[in-house]
Amino acid sequence: DGGITQSPKYLFRKEGQNVTLSCEQNLNHDAMYWYRQDPGQGLRLIYYSQIVNDFQKGDIAEGYSVSREKKESFPLTVTSAQKNPTAFYLCASSSARDRRQETQYFGPGTRLLVL
Amino acid sequence: RKEVEQDPGPFNVPEGATVAFNCTYSNSASQSFFWYRQDCRKEPKLLMSVYSSGNEDGRFTAQLNRASQYISLLIRDSKLSDSATYLCAVNRRGSQGNLIFGKGTKLSVKP
Repeated sequence: DGGITQSPKYLFRKEGQNVTLSCEQNLNHDAMYWYRQDPGQGLRLIYYSQIVNDFQKGDIAEGYSVSREKKESFPLTVTSAQKNPTAFYLCASSSARDRRQETQYFGPGTRLLVL
Repeated sequence: RKEVEQDPGPFNVPEGATVAFNCTYSNSASQSFFWYRQDCRKEPKLLMSVYSSGNEDGRFTAQLNRASQYISLLIRDSKLSDSATYLCAVNRRGSQGNLIFGKGTKLSVKP
């Protein structure tokens, strides 16, 4: 089955700890995105990548880091510098070859909680 | 004016009702528009893209009004299963592939 997977489904972070959220897609999509969603809020863009080995900051990149070493994978690290990391994290991807090339498809998300 | 705005609702409607949501956007150069559906504690799922000529998929109709800079979603014959939050998305100014999402409109369909 083609799709986007995220792991883990739930993640607990201790104070001062870095944690990494996984995002993998087998849709052969070029672009990948990370969003954060807080209760009752819309999606806010953290980082995005249009091509392997390149990525750009979104609206709320502070306290986060990413890498894009493979087309299929776009992991997000929530660093200790992110003071309010509790949120629902969503990964998405889109294809430059899709006629509606900006259509984004989402993974199931990871809920991050601070202990 | 916010880049993308939606009435948060909730819209409480009886089964079988027709309900419409609007989403306003500020960038007159936007070219791509989408409606997503998000169930509680789940990821957003694409409902439909919005084309200049409007488009229809079963009970759902999406339209674009460029002059007034809004998109709309019409749901006819509402079902209990339509209860969800509906997010609109518009492509971001000057950045191909990036979307800005509204905060969503919550719909609750009652028996």
